[in-house]
Amino acid sequence: EDQVTQSPEALRLQEGESSSLNCSYTVSGLRGLFWYRQDPGKGPEFLFTLYSAGEEKEKERLKATLTKKESFLHITAPKPEDSATYLCAVQGGGAQKLVFGQGTRLTINP
Amino acid sequence: NAGVMQNPRHLVRRRGQEARLRCSPMKGHSHVYWYRQLPEEGLKFMVYLQKENIIDESGMPKERFSAEFPKEGPSILRIQQVVRGDSAAYFCASSPTTQGGKDGYTFGSGTRLTVV
Repeated sequence: EDQVTQSPEALRLQEGESSSLNCSYTVSGLRGLFWYRQDPGKGPEFLFTLYSAGEEKEKERLKATLTKKESFLHITAPKPEDSATYLCAVQGGGAQKLVFGQGTRLTINP
Repeated sequence: NAGVMQNPRHLVRRRGQEARLRCSPMKGHSHVYWYRQLPEEGLKFMVYLQKENIIDESGMPKERFSAEFPKEGPSILRIQQVVRGDSAAYFCASSPTTQGGKDGYTFGSGTRLTVV
């Protein structure tokens, strides 16, 4: 069964303090690993899809990387508006569904 | 492009009533997915539909829950005889292909169901 574990559960940073969020996964035949951002009371907002080990993608202060067992979401010099829950999900095998982790709740203090 | 539209945003039902949640996918998207987010839990897959077909319902509870995506109109998630444990946020996502397309799967803002 496909499984995703995210760590830490919660992370508090000062504005400008860079850090990384971890997503460990087990999946039968990875078709894609997805990162989403979710703000309170809203739906997940798509950030990145990674397809194979070694792939990297960047968007503003965020950079996602992928290995065969885990993905990292690096956040560089974060701002308070980066505060949100970040969700990782995998799509494996012949399934179309996404299997999500529990998320990391990120708080950036000004 | 209005994105994925879900309504209602909030729904309150008494135990034993029926809840109907609607989802209109993005224009050009023919694949619809429903997920449930229980309080303090992650998103869990429920069902995947294409027009007039249920493709994967492996995440749907066996009783009281049903879903459809008719030829015309929105996708409907129906919960009969609701119980307190059904209280959750229900999210719909859509995509143009089974791979999610270059922009991933687009989620709606959700329907928050409260059973009293």
